[in-house]
This record gives sequence, C-alpha cells and structure tokens, in this order.
Amino acid sequence: DAGVIQSPRHEVTEMGQEVTLRCKPISGHNSLFWYRQTMMRGLELLIYFNNNVPIDDSGMPEDRFSAKMPNASFSTLKIQPSEPRDSAVYFCASRGPYSNQPQHFGDGTRLSIL
Amino acid sequence: QKEVEQDPGPLSVPEGAIVSLNCTYSNSAFQYFMWYRQYSRKGPELLMYTYSSGNKEDGRFTAQVDKSSKYISLFIRDSQPSDSATYLCAMSVRDDKIIFGKGTRLHILP
Repeated sequence: DAGVIQSPRHEVTEMGQEVTLRCKPISGHNSLFWYRQTMMRGLELLIYFNNNVPIDDSGMPEDRFSAKMPNASFSTLKIQPSEPRDSAVYFCASRGPYSNQPQHFGDGTRLSIL
Repeated sequence: QKEVEQDPGPLSVPEGAIVSLNCTYSNSAFQYFMWYRQYSRKGPELLMYTYSSGNKEDGRFTAQVDKSSKYISLFIRDSQPSDSATYLCAMSVRDDKIIFGKGTRLHILP
C-alpha cells in the first residue's frame, strides 16, 4: 500500500517567494495533519483536518501560512511570502476514522528559504 | 516549563544492551502516550501506544507510564544497530492533537 506522499522532497527558494507543499494522504484516511520540525522547537502541529474540514489551526504561526484540503486525497500548505525562519522540515500525516488509530507520516519536505 | 521534556542525547550504547529512554510532562490531562521512532530523513513511525498508566510490551520494546510522577519510559531490550534512530515521546489529551518531545538520538554501537 502507498503511504502518505509528500512533494516536493526538497525545496530551496529565495525569501519573499511563494512556497506550496503538497500531500496525498493514505486512501481511506479521513484525518490529515501538517507538522513542522526544527532543531529548536521539535515537531509542532500546524493544522489538522477532519473530513476535509479544518478543525484546529492554532499552530499556524501567522497569516503568511495557509492550508487547504479541497478533497479527501489532496492537501496543500502554502507560505506567502516566505522568510528564512520558515526553513524547516514539513511533515504531513494521515489517520483513519477512529481516534485511537495511529497517525502515518510522510517523509517530509525539507524547505530552505535563502 | 515546557509541556513535554526529553533529553536530546545523543545516547550511545553497545549492541545487546538495554536502552532506557524517558520523558517528563507537566499537563496532568494527558491520557494517551506514544513513542515514535524517526530514522534520518524519514517521517516518524509509531512504535508504542498506551492509554493511561501502566506497562505495555511489544517484542523487544516496553513502554511504561507513571501518571502520578508525570513520567514515561521506553525500554529496548537486546538493542541492535538497526535501532539507531531518534525516539520521540508524544502525548495527547483526546488522542487527536499530539504534543511531541524534541526526541532523543540513540546510537547502538556494533
């Protein structure tokens, strides 16, 4: 079975540019989570969706970040404009319909903002 | 005080040794406790999942939760070089919004 698929795997761009990260969850999973991982702050939840609806976006750092889930098989995390402090590894995870099921993580997008 | 505290390591032990990894936390409302393993340049994968206090064993891995002390542990028996990774403790109140520790880097020396 295919796991959570994230693209791109690596992104290097200049400050001020728009960045779009993509995620395809595991088929049949109805919860999707976006995380950011840095050495300083560890792994932090940014936002999560249930049945394509955003449930909690309290972890989104500021208005420059936005996330969408137009359908059950696709989600995007957008940063506009990007800043050097946004450099991190961004993970997407998905989970099945029951809350005691584990979250399955993708391999992340390593983002560098110059 | 941070919600979840975890020693970043690195922790180096010889192959075959018993490894002990620990986390402390401050929020007494946490009910779900997890351990994730993360290899370099990969996403975290769930190792152990425990609800409330007590022990749980799965093969070479044992997870312990002591809610009275706000302390959780992961033990790895007969450690192997393939166990070398970063181990993240994680916990949540309602099993949806998970709070992660920063992870402990573990090296098993052959």
